Amino acid sequence: GAVVSQHPSWVICKSGTSVKIECRSLDFQATTMFWYRQFPKQSLMLMATSNEGSKATYEQGVEKDKFLINHASLTLSTLTVTSAHPEDSSFYICSARDLRAGGNTGELFFGEGSRLTVL
Amino acid sequence: RKEVEQDPGPFNVPEGATVAFNCTYSNSASQSFFWYRQDCRKEPKLLMSVYSSGNEDGRFTAQLNRASQYISLLIRDSKLSDSATYLCAVINDYKLSFGAGTTVTVRA
Repeated sequence: GAVVSQHPSWVICKSGTSVKIECRSLDFQATTMFWYRQFPKQSLMLMATSNEGSKATYEQGVEKDKFLINHASLTLSTLTVTSAHPEDSSFYICSARDLRAGGNTGELFFGEGSRLTVL
Repeated sequence: RKEVEQDPGPFNVPEGATVAFNCTYSNSASQSFFWYRQDCRKEPKLLMSVYSSGNEDGRFTAQLNRASQYISLLIRDSKLSDSATYLCAVINDYKLSFGAGTTVTVRA
């Protein structure tokens, strides 16, 4: 099946630094990718929809200047957490829809997730 | 009101038992429904889609009740390997919204 790869799996950084997380669709093209964040024992919360060749669409309450999303190609989206703070520590997961799997909904495949810890 | 709500559990059941739990959704126009399985500190993995007529995949049975706006998951003959958090997910406007998950622990 389709595979989505995310890197890095773990990252620890100092407060105030920026961290970039990559999300790649390995065997299919994804014009749209989704970025989620999950705090412990909570649901995955959609942060933004990454659109290839255009600006990302952010969910309400997500700061677009803090969470920079770039979708430069059909197989790569990046999320940069700028000026990270301890409250940004979370599990960040990307996903992409493989439209070959069926119609407009398709099946959503997830990357392995990136666990960010900000000291 | 949250878009998707689940009983967090945990449901602690012995091997071989049947366990079932529900998930409610708030948007009556929701288009598609899924159950995902998430192991600790891992990404969610699709367990099964939920069809209007209900569907079964081995020991797992999913049901959709549009009138009451809930979906259910039933696990028969529980295995130790079924221990996980089960997330329900609903598509609205092509966006997938998740519940917080129901934790199931199967004990020997």
